[in-house]
Amino acid sequence: GQQLNQSPQSMFIQEGEDVSMNCTSSSIFNTWLWYKQDPGEGPVLLIALYKAGELTSNGRLTAQFGITRKDSFLNISASIPSDVGIYFCAGQLSRGNTPLVFGKGTRLSVIA
Amino acid sequence: KAGVTQTPRYLIKTRGQQVTLSCSPISGHRSVSWYQQTPGQGLQFLFEYFSETQRNKGNFPGRFSGRQFSNSRSEMNVSTLELGDSALYLCASSVLGQGNTGELFFGEGSRLTVL
Repeated sequence: GQQLNQSPQSMFIQEGEDVSMNCTSSSIFNTWLWYKQDPGEGPVLLIALYKAGELTSNGRLTAQFGITRKDSFLNISASIPSDVGIYFCAGQLSRGNTPLVFGKGTRLSVIA
Repeated sequence: KAGVTQTPRYLIKTRGQQVTLSCSPISGHRSVSWYQQTPGQGLQFLFEYFSETQRNKGNFPGRFSGRQFSNSRSEMNVSTLELGDSALYLCASSVLGQGNTGELFFGEGSRLTVL
C-alpha cells in the first residue's frame, strides 16, 4: 500500500522553541492534512491543505502543501506544554472514494 | 453538538473469542471509517461505510468485518481474536466521506487487549 514517511519519529524540545516536522511520499497527493492526538484521545484535525504550494496557518501552527505534491510540513512556533502529543500527517491520493493514508506520527514532548 | 461516541472504551478478551465494537457518528454524518492504531504501525485503515454500504476496505483479513445501520451507527466485529489484534480501534465520521475533503472527526477509541 501507499506509504507516508513522517519525520522525526519523536522529539523533545524546550518550551518556547519552534518545532518542524514533515511528511514525504513517492506518490502525488491531492490533499494533505495534519492531525494531533492527545494522550487517551482520538486524533483531531489541525490543518487541511488542498492545493500545491498552499500555506495555511492555525494560530501558532503553519502547514504547507509541497509544490511537488509529494510532501508537506508542519511548523509549531513558540511551543507550550499543551502541544504535547502525537502529530499525524495524512494524505489523499485522489478525490473520490479514496481513503486517507496516515503517517506513523511524530511524538512531541515539551519540557517546561 | 455531540462528538463521535465509541463503546466500550476498554475491553479484555482471550484468543479465539470474538468482539463487537460500536460507533455513533456525529449527527448528520453519513460516513463512518474504522482504523486500527498500534505503536508500531500507526493508523491502519480498516473500512469505510457510507449510507449502509461499504465504500472502501483496507488490507485486513476477513476476520475483521463491519456494518452500518440506517441511523448511521456502525459496528465492527473481529472474530477468532489473535494476540496481534490488541490495539486501539478508532472510529471516525464525516459528512460526505473521506474521499470528499479528508476531514475526519475521531472518537476516543476502544482499546482492545487480547490475552
